[in-house]
Amino acid sequence: AQKITQTQPGMFVQEKEAVTLDCTYDTSDPSYGLFWYKQPSSGEMIFLIYQGSYDQQNATEGRYSLNFQKARKSANLVISASQLGDSAMYFCAMREYRGGSEKLVFGKGTKLTVNP
Amino acid sequence: DTEVTQTPKHLVMGMTNKKSLKCEQHMGHRAMYWYKQKAKKPPELMFVYSYEKLSINESVPSRFSPECPNSSLLNLHLHALQPEDSALYLCASKTSAVPRNREKLFFGSGTQLSVL
Repeated sequence: AQKITQTQPGMFVQEKEAVTLDCTYDTSDPSYGLFWYKQPSSGEMIFLIYQGSYDQQNATEGRYSLNFQKARKSANLVISASQLGDSAMYFCAMREYRGGSEKLVFGKGTKLTVNP
Repeated sequence: DTEVTQTPKHLVMGMTNKKSLKCEQHMGHRAMYWYKQKAKKPPELMFVYSYEKLSINESVPSRFSPECPNSSLLNLHLHALQPEDSALYLCASKTSAVPRNREKLFFGSGTQLSVL
């Protein structure tokens, strides 16, 4: 069984500073995918960034980058130059295949607050 | 275009009512999902449809009845719900990619359901 762990229930950061949100995972599958989603108070789950287990380089998407350390089974999200609009819940998720279909298994999330 | 549209955005219903949630995507995605999210918790998978056929049912009570009339539309029919079913219901669809581990889920903004 796969497992996703986010150990930070809440994080605070000053506007314009960088912040790292932690995510560790556990799986015995050699092929897997890791995702980060942002969920503002409006409720929508917004896809941020993706890392495949065979990707040679860390994923980057604008101000988001993923610090992927395969041997340590960690996939931390780094947000550079934080903005007030970054305040939201952030979920790390891992792909699981079952019954010919796929589902995402989510961590418990980290609530990020960006202070002015 | 990565839009998944859910209607209604908010729904209040009594325990004897019958209502339906609707999810629509026009991205050609062939897998669609229903997730349930309680407040301050991560989303939990309910159902997966792959090529318009139900492929995963996470032991969801029969008062929730999914339907996939065509590849663009996913419904969730609700009947005789309980107050504990109050939650945010999220729909998602999945891209197709090669290799398979590069496929991604995109979510709608959800339906906030309150059962009185």
